[in-house]
Amino acid sequence: DAKTTQPPSMDCAEGRAANLPCNHSTISGNEYVYWYRQIHSQGPQYIIHGLKNNETNEMASLIITEDRKSSTLILPHATLRDTAVYYCIVRVPSSNTGKLIFGQGTTLQVKP
Amino acid sequence: DTAVSQTPKYLVTQMGNDKSIKCEQNLGHDTMYWYKQDSKKFLKIMFSYNNKELIINETVPNRFSPKSPDKAHLNLHINSLELGDSAVYFCASSQDSGWRLYGYTFGSGTRLTVV
Repeated sequence: DAKTTQPPSMDCAEGRAANLPCNHSTISGNEYVYWYRQIHSQGPQYIIHGLKNNETNEMASLIITEDRKSSTLILPHATLRDTAVYYCIVRVPSSNTGKLIFGQGTTLQVKP
Repeated sequence: DTAVSQTPKYLVTQMGNDKSIKCEQNLGHDTMYWYKQDSKKFLKIMFSYNNKELIINETVPNRFSPKSPDKAHLNLHINSLELGDSAVYFCASSQDSGWRLYGYTFGSGTRLTVV
């Protein structure tokens, strides 16, 4: 699985968009980008995933650069409840090991 | 209805004791996992079971023994607990061991403290 690099922490004002970057320069052609988050004292929660096209769901948008070496998770209108650690993970969906490799993640602090 | 439920939520015990953590999922998933999150907040996989069969064992000490009586349950038994076992243990499930696109569902965790 490709290695990812994320900033350790970020701040965002409540109601503004939170843009969380992730570098994955060694990503291979069949690896997807997944985002999870972990709110304090809870288990990780799936947010969104993508291969090369931009994706949007009810939680967030995922922008993947054309060369696929980096991506950005966008929370369009951050709330205090979005304060969490956000993990960017890249891997092949059909891999038979089935395991997730979590890195350090980005601690997002949404401030009033 | 809770999708992945773990019990107990908190567990405080003395060194040398044996304890178990239980996990149940009602999602109909084929694969279940145990992850450990240490004091530095790093999440690491420990075990994975697919339809009651062990498919991942990430060099975890023999004191840890997972048991899957059926595909909806994956329990974790820990013998001779040590101080270093203190951590939060998360159970998770996924559609199959091949990692379906929609990811994992995690339980809320069991905070184990060994004193």
